[in-house]
Amino acid sequence: QVQLVESGGGVVQPGRSLRLSCAASGFTFSSYAMHWVRQAPGKGLEWMAVISYDGINKYYADSVKGRFTISRDNSKNTLYLQINSLRVEDLAVYYCARSSVVTAFPNHWGQGTLVTVSS
Amino acid sequence: QSVLTQPPSASGTPGQRVTISCSGSSSNIGSNTVNWYQQLPGTAPKLLIYSNNQRPSGVPDRFSGSKSGTSASLAISGLQSEDEADYYCAAWDDSLNNWVFGGGTKLTVL
Repeated sequence: QVQLVESGGGVVQPGRSLRLSCAASGFTFSSYAMHWVRQAPGKGLEWMAVISYDGINKYYADSVKGRFTISRDNSKNTLYLQINSLRVEDLAVYYCARSSVVTAFPNHWGQGTLVTVSS
Repeated sequence: QSVLTQPPSASGTPGQRVTISCSGSSSNIGSNTVNWYQQLPGTAPKLLIYSNNQRPSGVPDRFSGSKSGTSASLAISGLQSEDEADYYCAAWDDSLNNWVFGGGTKLTVL
């Protein structure tokens, strides 16, 4: 079955960098687009970024453009999110999710990894 | 401020029918399909409705979706206590080249 497992979250100081990972299994990872979506405590879902199946096309929310970088390693069945210059407002659970193509709905989600930004 | 607008809360009694609205614009709902997600407390979102009105396997037919112009709706009939959750609409936005979500609606079963 489709499984997405996020990791890399934790407590990080403001201004530092962090790389989140999403390990995929149970499907042909290299055939699917992948997303990152975050949810601040008690708040709604906020879409962050999507990457095409081959890693060529990437789209970002305006709020994180230039600071977040989405990437993937199809040989390792793994999706990444590099977050630079972390801010207090980046505190959230970060979910990875799968879709057939970039513009298709995310249909499978991981359980999320919590990023806490605190000095 | 979310690009898609949902009411923050909705409620109903067991057995009732409840609808949740989602309002957008010509660049998102007006030109693309709408999807709905259910998020039970403490869990990851789950796809509930895709392509305006399609249910993934395993989703009860009590859940239905519709779209008209730049608005969409999620209807839940025969409301059950386990339907108490947050519901989000989502669509691709052609102008932003982004996915956009509604702010979410918290459904309470009284």
